[in-house]
Amino acid sequence: AQKVTQAQTEISVVEKEDVTLDCVYETRDTTYYLFWYKQPPSGELVFLIRRNSFDEQNEISGRYSWNFQKSTSSFNFTITASQVVDSAVYFCALKDTGNQFYFGTGTSLTVIP
Amino acid sequence: DAGVTQSPTHLIKTRGQQVTLRCSPKSGHDTVSWYQQALGQGPQFIFQYYEEEERQRGNFPDRFSGHQFPNYSSELNVNALLLGDSALYLCASSFRGTGALYEQYFGPGTRLTVT
Repeated sequence: AQKVTQAQTEISVVEKEDVTLDCVYETRDTTYYLFWYKQPPSGELVFLIRRNSFDEQNEISGRYSWNFQKSTSSFNFTITASQVVDSAVYFCALKDTGNQFYFGTGTSLTVIP
Repeated sequence: DAGVTQSPTHLIKTRGQQVTLRCSPKSGHDTVSWYQQALGQGPQFIFQYYEEEERQRGNFPDRFSGHQFPNYSSELNVNALLLGDSALYLCASSFRGTGALYEQYFGPGTRLTVT
């Protein structure tokens, strides 16, 4: 069975600090996709990044970076120099070969000005 | 280009009643998935519709049913509402033609409260 674990329920940081959100996944599929979504208070999930299981190259997009390690089944997300606008709930998700998405329970990030 | 739209925004129902939620996919998308997100939890997959048929289903009882129309819009129906059905219901659309449904776009959700 597929499973996504986000052990950090809530994180608070002071503006301009770096913060890393952890994500650990379980799957027996050899082909799968991993995602990060942001959910602001408005409720709409906003897509941040997608990674397929064959691409372990880390990615950086502005202040955001992602570290994918198959050896530890982890797909962590780092925000550098956090800003108040980064405050939201962040979800890690896995899509299996059956096209079904499995979400973690989310990490609520609060950036304090 | 309109994104995924859902209606209504909020809904209050009484236990035992029935409810219908609606979703219009993003232009060009042909597949609609529904998710239930309880407070403080991640979205849980309910089912997915393509070509007006239910293609996949998560671990939800038969009280949850759906429909997809020729214009790709979709409805989620929940019968015999329970207090535990109170949640944010999210619709996501994608285009199956690419072969991989990873490009999911989510709507703003419908907040259902069962009293």
